[in-house]
Amino acid sequence: DTEVTQTPKHLVMGMTNKKSLKCEQHMGHRAMYWYKQKAKKPPELMFVYSYEKLSINESVPSRFSPECPNSSLLNLHLHALQPEDSALYLCASSPMPAKDNQPQHFGDGTRLSIL
Amino acid sequence: GDSVTQMEGPVTLSEEAFLTINCTYTATGYPSLFWYVQYPGEGLQLLLKATKADDKGSNKGFEATYRKETTSFHLEKGSVQVSDSAVYFCALHQAGTALIFGKGTTLSVSS
Repeated sequence: DTEVTQTPKHLVMGMTNKKSLKCEQHMGHRAMYWYKQKAKKPPELMFVYSYEKLSINESVPSRFSPECPNSSLLNLHLHALQPEDSALYLCASSPMPAKDNQPQHFGDGTRLSIL
Repeated sequence: GDSVTQMEGPVTLSEEAFLTINCTYTATGYPSLFWYVQYPGEGLQLLLKATKADDKGSNKGFEATYRKETTSFHLEKGSVQVSDSAVYFCALHQAGTALIFGKGTTLSVSS
């Protein structure tokens, strides 16, 4: 069982809809991440939060809006998405943001389909 | 910049065969190295890690040794099972930077 919980597991939305992806961890980790993964590709980093503050935005389009309400929760708000945004969205966390020997723990992802 | 190169897949093996998935890296510093596994329909799970040269990571019968002289971190298992069928990602991480993944290697094991 994963220690990072993502909801929903599947999401189908139209291009004009607004929806949110949620991620939760209770391991006391202070860094949280959003990744996008296309089929048969490695995950691509989108955002990093360190101590609940956005520290990295990998030039992600503004139709993706992250939010970190507290140290356990991470949201990704979606609005006016395009068909090419269909992918698996993975959340991850790690104990400390900049330490290189601490692995990231991944959730099972939300599979997003844009109609 | 830093990078990770994995052998191209898919790798197709019979049950109980020996597995090697090659991984080499390029890095300016001294990264930590990881193998992640992704089963169908799931997220990534950490399989093993090594944080310095000559460290050996091991888990569930899988092993990988951090070889600084050859900049490699090859994944091995002596006897694969059908349940090992998955995508395997080699990754490196240096302090203050993002996790860098290889392209992934698909393993298919048949009984």
